[in-house]
Amino acid sequence: DARVTQTPRDKVTEMGQEVTMRCQPILGHNTVFWYRQTMMQGLELLAYFRNRAPLDDSGMPKDRFSAEMPDATLATLKIQPSEPRDSAVYFCASGLGGTNEKLFFGSGTQLSVL
Amino acid sequence: SQQGEEDPQALSIQEGENATMNCSYKTSINNLQWYRQNSGRGLVHLILIRSNEREKHSGRLRVTLDTSKKSSSLLITASRAADTASYFCATEGTGANNLFFGTGTRLTVIP
Repeated sequence: DARVTQTPRDKVTEMGQEVTMRCQPILGHNTVFWYRQTMMQGLELLAYFRNRAPLDDSGMPKDRFSAEMPDATLATLKIQPSEPRDSAVYFCASGLGGTNEKLFFGSGTQLSVL
Repeated sequence: SQQGEEDPQALSIQEGENATMNCSYKTSINNLQWYRQNSGRGLVHLILIRSNEREKHSGRLRVTLDTSKKSSSLLITASRAADTASYFCATEGTGANNLFFGTGTRLTVIP
């Protein structure tokens, strides 16, 4: 079965450290989304790519977060420096693009910043 | 915020009963989708209803959409213990392909 792969599954780090989360979208999908899930805020859209180009990253704190797609098979989300309030589950999702697309989610990265 | 809101936040029912969850949203939409999330895992797409549709069925799932009231409902009939999960609505706004999720309903089906 085709699936979205996220690594690492879990990450524990200390405040101030750089964190990099990776996502391999499903082959042939041309849209990639990054979401953050917390109990308080629910699922927040952080960034959205189509054909590797960032279309919307308005939900992402620009001073410390960055999202890129170095190639069609890899999307990255970096936090530098990390803070305890960044602790959350980060999900990547991919889709075929266009209107009325459904998204396929990865299993997420559980990030804990101490 | 473009997030939808779901009601109730939590729902507990006996196996075999029907479960109804509601979603309200704020903007004009192309479609509304429902996803399911088992604890600690990624979301799984269940069903999509377009803005020009009023009702859609898929197995034991029935979704309705009322664009005049900006609301949708998800009905799960003859619930099973395996239906225990969180259910989220998500809306794709017109003029954009972003997908914004609601706050979710936590469903517990008691065997």
